[in-house]
Amino acid sequence: KQEVTQIPAALSVPEGENLVLNCSFTDSAIYNLQWFRQDPGKGLTSLLLIQSSQREQTSGRLNASLDKSSGRSTLYIAASQPGDSATYLCAVQKAGKSTFGDGTTLTVKP
Amino acid sequence: DAMVIQNPRYQVTQFGKPVTLSCSQTLNHNVMYWYQQKSSQAPKLLFHYYDKDFNNEADTPDNFQSRRPNTSFCFLDIRSPGLGDAAMYLCATSRQGWGTEAFFGQGTRLTVV
Repeated sequence: KQEVTQIPAALSVPEGENLVLNCSFTDSAIYNLQWFRQDPGKGLTSLLLIQSSQREQTSGRLNASLDKSSGRSTLYIAASQPGDSATYLCAVQKAGKSTFGDGTTLTVKP
Repeated sequence: DAMVIQNPRYQVTQFGKPVTLSCSQTLNHNVMYWYQQKSSQAPKLLFHYYDKDFNNEADTPDNFQSRRPNTSFCFLDIRSPGLGDAAMYLCATSRQGWGTEAFFGQGTRLTVV
């Protein structure tokens, strides 16, 4: 059974800092890995999708990497802003189903 | 424009009273999913439809049912809601299921009183 772990569970940083969120998974036979953002009481917003054959994806200040063999992904956020405050979830997909981590709650202080 | 739309955003129901949550999509995606998310927890897949084929997760309670009358709409029926069913319910779609990006709605927050 696939298990997805996100560390740390919560992170607080001052504005402008670069940061890394971590995601690990136990079954490396995945089709893709997706990073989401969730604001309190809201649904999930897709940030980046990395196919199993890819090593990284970039969108603006976000960069996600995937090391499938070691079961790890990182989400790098450059020059963090207070508007980045949210919960970030990673999900791995296999056979049409996504398994999520519990998320990292990020607070960026002005 | 919203591509996966869930209604209502907030739903209050009485203990034991059947309730239906709805989801519609404008993406024409083949796959639609229902997830349950409790506070500070990961979303948990309840079931999904690949076209008309229904796929139930092994640990989804019988109290939860789903209908997909056409490509655009999918419903989550909770036959007899209990206090433990209070949660955020998330609908998602993807084009083919595997290897393709999932798009989520804004969720329906269910309260059971």
